[in-house]
Amino acid sequence: QVQLRESGPGLVKPSETLSLTCSVSGGSLSSYYWSWIRQSPAKGLEWIGYIHYSGNTNYNPSLKSRVTISVDTSKNVFSLNLIDVTAADTATYFCARVAEDTWSLYFDAWGQGTLVTVPS
Amino acid sequence: SYELTQSPSVSVSPGQAARITCSADILPKQYTYWYQQKSGQAPLLVIYKDSQRPSGIPERFSGSRSGTTVTLTISGVQAEDEADYYCQSADSSGTHVVFGGGTKLTVL
Repeated sequence: QVQLRESGPGLVKPSETLSLTCSVSGGSLSSYYWSWIRQSPAKGLEWIGYIHYSGNTNYNPSLKSRVTISVDTSKNVFSLNLIDVTAADTATYFCARVAEDTWSLYFDAWGQGTLVTVPS
Repeated sequence: SYELTQSPSVSVSPGQAARITCSADILPKQYTYWYQQKSGQAPLLVIYKDSQRPSGIPERFSGSRSGTTVTLTISGVQAEDEADYYCQSADSSGTHVVFGGGTKLTVL
């Protein structure tokens, strides 16, 4: 069974770049889309974007100007970069697998989440 | 963008049925999915494509759709079902994900 694990700094200074990595075990990145989702008390669950193992991406329009998601199939990881962060980016960040289901877009496996704090 | 609207909270006694609703104008054209999130844990998929139940999810979880409203029903609620429940769908293009605000289910 596939397992996902987020890693990265828990504290990022304002205006700097938030960088997280999701390590995938128990399965290959191939044939799937992979996503980042965040959760905060203010905004609830918020989809950030997803990437296909081939490198194709799609981002939340509200974050698109600041987000980059990349994939490294040789290491079985995918990553999130969010530039120019503010306190509003403080959240628990989850990585997740997009289910392989035609004409559907949902998440069938999630990492445990990692809290990232941006001080105000 | 559009929003999925959920009632903030639902309370039921053990053994009763809990109904959690999610509504939005776009729903008739897109499937809806439901996640359960217990405190300190990641969300867990409990219903996909409006009414399908993933392997390992108890039969007391079911989903239905009527017009622009989809409903997650938990029949015979148990104490372990106390959690936040989120609906999720996609926009009209089918490529952007949208979540509802979540409903807190309290088992009295």
